[in-house]
Amino acid sequence: SQKIEQNSEALNIQEGKTATLTCNYTNYSPAYLQWYRQDPGRGPVFLLLIRENEKEKRKERLKVTFDTTLKQSLFHITASQPADSATYLCALPGGGADGLTFGKGTHLIIQP
Amino acid sequence: DADVTQTPRNRITKTGKRIMLECSQTKGHDRMYWYRQDPGLGLRLIYYSFDVKDINKGEISDGYSVSRQAQAKFSLSLESAIPNQTALYFCATSDSTGTHSYNEQFFGPGTRLTVL
Repeated sequence: SQKIEQNSEALNIQEGKTATLTCNYTNYSPAYLQWYRQDPGRGPVFLLLIRENEKEKRKERLKVTFDTTLKQSLFHITASQPADSATYLCALPGGGADGLTFGKGTHLIIQP
Repeated sequence: DADVTQTPRNRITKTGKRIMLECSQTKGHDRMYWYRQDPGLGLRLIYYSFDVKDINKGEISDGYSVSRQAQAKFSLSLESAIPNQTALYFCATSDSTGTHSYNEQFFGPGTRLTVL
C-alpha cells in the first residue's frame, strides 16, 4: 500500500541555521508533491508544489527537492527564524481521484 | 474575511447525538473536502466533492455523511456520534479549473469536536 514517511520526532534547529525536513514515500509514482505548514490548532497552509520533472523549487527562504529515484523530497528553510516553528506536512496525490494523502508531519522548533 | 469558514469552531456533544459541521467558501473553487486529524495519525480524508452533484467517499467515511448544498457549501454530518469521532475536523477546497492546477488545497480553521 502507499505510504508516506516523515520524521515523527521534533526537529530542533538553532536560529539562523538551515532546517532540512525529509519526506519519503513508497509504492507511489507521484506526478507532484506538495508541502504545507500547520500551526497548532489551525488548518494547514499550502507552501510549495514540485512536479515530477522538477529537481528543485525555491520560494524566498524555502527550497524543495524531489528525487523520484530515491522516492524522497527534502524541504529546506534557510536562515531559519523562531517564527518558522510549526509542523510541516508533505502531501502526495492519492486518497481518491485528485485527492491528497498527507504525511503525519514533522514538528520543527527554531530556537533563538 | 476568511476564504474558507467552518462552523462551529468548537463543539462538545454526547454519544448518540446527531451533529452537523458546516463549511463555506468564497474562493469560487469547485472541489471541497472533509478531513479529520488525530494526534499521531495525521490528516485523513473523509469525503470529497468535485461539484454539487458529485460526492465521493474517502479513506474513512464510515459513520459520516455529507451534503453539497451549493458550490460554496459542504456540510459533514455525524448521524450518531461516538467517542472515537473526537477529533479536529478540517474542510478544504481546491480549484480544478485553473490552467496550472495541481490540487493545491486551502483549509478552513477547523472544528474541534469532542464526543463524551
